[in-house]
Amino acid sequence: AQSVTQLDSQVPVFEEAPVELRCNYSSSVSVYLFWYVQYPNQGLQLLLKYLSGSTLVKGINGFEAEFNKSQTSFHLRKPSVLISDTAEYFCAVSELRAGNMLTFGGGTRLMVKP
Amino acid sequence: KAGVTQTPRYLIKTRGQQVTLSCSPISGHRSVSWYQQTPGQGLQFLFEYFSETQRNKGNFPGRFSGRQFSNSRSEMNVSTLELGDSALYLCASATGPGQPQHFGDGTRLSIL
Repeated sequence: AQSVTQLDSQVPVFEEAPVELRCNYSSSVSVYLFWYVQYPNQGLQLLLKYLSGSTLVKGINGFEAEFNKSQTSFHLRKPSVLISDTAEYFCAVSELRAGNMLTFGGGTRLMVKP
Repeated sequence: KAGVTQTPRYLIKTRGQQVTLSCSPISGHRSVSWYQQTPGQGLQFLFEYFSETQRNKGNFPGRFSGRQFSNSRSEMNVSTLELGDSALYLCASATGPGQPQHFGDGTRLSIL
């Protein structure tokens, strides 16, 4: 069975500073990787996905992530954050040939301060 | 294109009752999955349906069940409600297996 660990439960950062949200996963088979964002009282919005190909993946709102197979990581980065990026971020994996069953990390609350 | 629609948005029930939640996927999406989100356990997979067949099931008791109709709309049912069933229930749809899932805004279920 796969598992996902988001190493930081909260990340405070000042506006316009860079940020990295860390995600490590464990799986015995190949996986698809996703980052989702959740704003208060809303569902999850897909930020980006890694299915195959280039290990550097660009998503919406200026976010990007890099898949590192040897370190089993999929860290999310943004070079300059905005106040509006304040939200909960979730890393998720699904195993190839396992349908759409997502396993989520515990989430990281990004708090952008002026 | 309309997104994933979940109804109702909020629901209050008492222990022992049963509840049915509804999910309308994005047009053309045949895969529908359900997740439970709580502060203590985080996001947990309940089950996935594809073309009216349950493909995967998470580690939840038999009180949790679901189904999918021929138009891909899905319902989940929880019987004999317990206080611990209070949660945000999220539905997600995708075009097929292994494809990115798009989530609805959820149904917030409160058990009194």
